[in-house]
Amino acid sequence: NAGVMQNPRHLVRRRGQEARLRCSPVKGHSHVYWYRQLPEEGLKFMVYLQKENIIDESGMPKERFSAEFPKEGPSILRIQQVVRGDSAAYFCASSPVAGVKQETQYFGPGTRLLVL
Amino acid sequence: DAKTTQPPSMDCAEGRAANLPCNHSTISGNEYVYWYRQIHSQGPQYIIHGLKNNETNEMASLIITEDRKSSTLILPHATLRDTAVYYCIVNPRGSGAGSYQLTFGKGTKLSVIP
Repeated sequence: NAGVMQNPRHLVRRRGQEARLRCSPVKGHSHVYWYRQLPEEGLKFMVYLQKENIIDESGMPKERFSAEFPKEGPSILRIQQVVRGDSAAYFCASSPVAGVKQETQYFGPGTRLLVL
Repeated sequence: DAKTTQPPSMDCAEGRAANLPCNHSTISGNEYVYWYRQIHSQGPQYIIHGLKNNETNEMASLIITEDRKSSTLILPHATLRDTAVYYCIVNPRGSGAGSYQLTFGKGTKLSVIP
């Protein structure tokens, strides 16, 4: 999957805890996207970030969810006070700034969150 | 809301060509056709994309009809490792709103049979 790395691959949390998901984009990519996939469903867009900026968070729930992509380090998707309905696979994708395949998104392996 | 229609499932014999259809009758002039696949428990994998000309790469060929209302993804010699869910997505390119929001429908579950 073109080098996008996500960790952890699996995360178990109890209701009320915080979940922190990390995404390292392909080297040189400065655009990051987060998607969520509920069981038996397709991926749903959550948020689009560039370095230090949130460009579009229209797909992200207003409460408890936040995302960042700092100047240094990976992008972080944070879910506070998790509930059972947050159990899903969370995928990160990245795209290059420019080039022949500008804006083609390359996905990571995902983080599977299970809330007990 | 997905703008594409795909059959829910297909079978293909190993070694034969797999032809996956997609209808996108409401596609607009600036929208590209993208194909991704998702092998079980993995992230979506980019396959190919095109605007109106047929495209070919090391993975597959994409045939887009002249009116652009439908397309076919062709895997020339399917292997067992090609068993996956294949998603056809229409998306504009450029920096406009929504051009980065890939909309995944239910896709086609391709089963390659030995």
